[in-house]
Amino acid sequence: DVKVTQSSRYLVKRTGEKVFLECVQDMDHENMFWYRQDPGLGLRLIYFSYDVKMKEKGDIPEGYSVSREKKERFSLILESASTNQTSMYLCASSPTRQGNQPQHFGDGTRLSIL
Amino acid sequence: GQSLEQPSEVTAVEGAIVQINCTYQTSGFYGLSWYQQHDGGAPTFLSYNALDGLEETGRFSSFLSRSDSYGYLLLQELQMKDSASYFCAVGYNNNDMRFGAGTRLTVKP
Repeated sequence: DVKVTQSSRYLVKRTGEKVFLECVQDMDHENMFWYRQDPGLGLRLIYFSYDVKMKEKGDIPEGYSVSREKKERFSLILESASTNQTSMYLCASSPTRQGNQPQHFGDGTRLSIL
Repeated sequence: GQSLEQPSEVTAVEGAIVQINCTYQTSGFYGLSWYQQHDGGAPTFLSYNALDGLEETGRFSSFLSRSDSYGYLLLQELQMKDSASYFCAVGYNNNDMRFGAGTRLTVKP
């Protein structure tokens, strides 16, 4: 089975801090995604990547950046955390560059910004 | 822009059949997927439609009409464990995917 591992299940940070959320997948998938999930809003795409060092903006990239230095790892960076970035963050991966492949999700990181 | 609409809540009883609809307005559409998410859990893939018609996987079926920009998830013989949130998601030919806001299904005894 595909395993998508997010480094932290719960995280508490302070306003203005630089925050790193890490995600690793073990199935050599090409695509990786970062979403945030908020009540009533579903999953909103922040960034995705279809290859090493490649990234594409999703619907809500403002205040975030990403890094994909290795195929298996996709990092989400909050440059200067703000309280409105308190949310559940979900990482996902899918096998190929086609946009229809099933996505495999990690267990999520519940991030609180104080 | 790209938007998906699905009902926010649905309630049904055990053993019943329930249909969760999804409409989308989009260009570059590649296919419609459905995901299930239990409280506190990660979304898990249920089904995918690229072509018009019905796809059946056990008690779950999914339907797509590209001309109507519409699809649905059909859950039969409902069980208590089916209580969860269900998301439709549209894949695009530029590799990304967009999710709906989710439908919370409550199955009652």
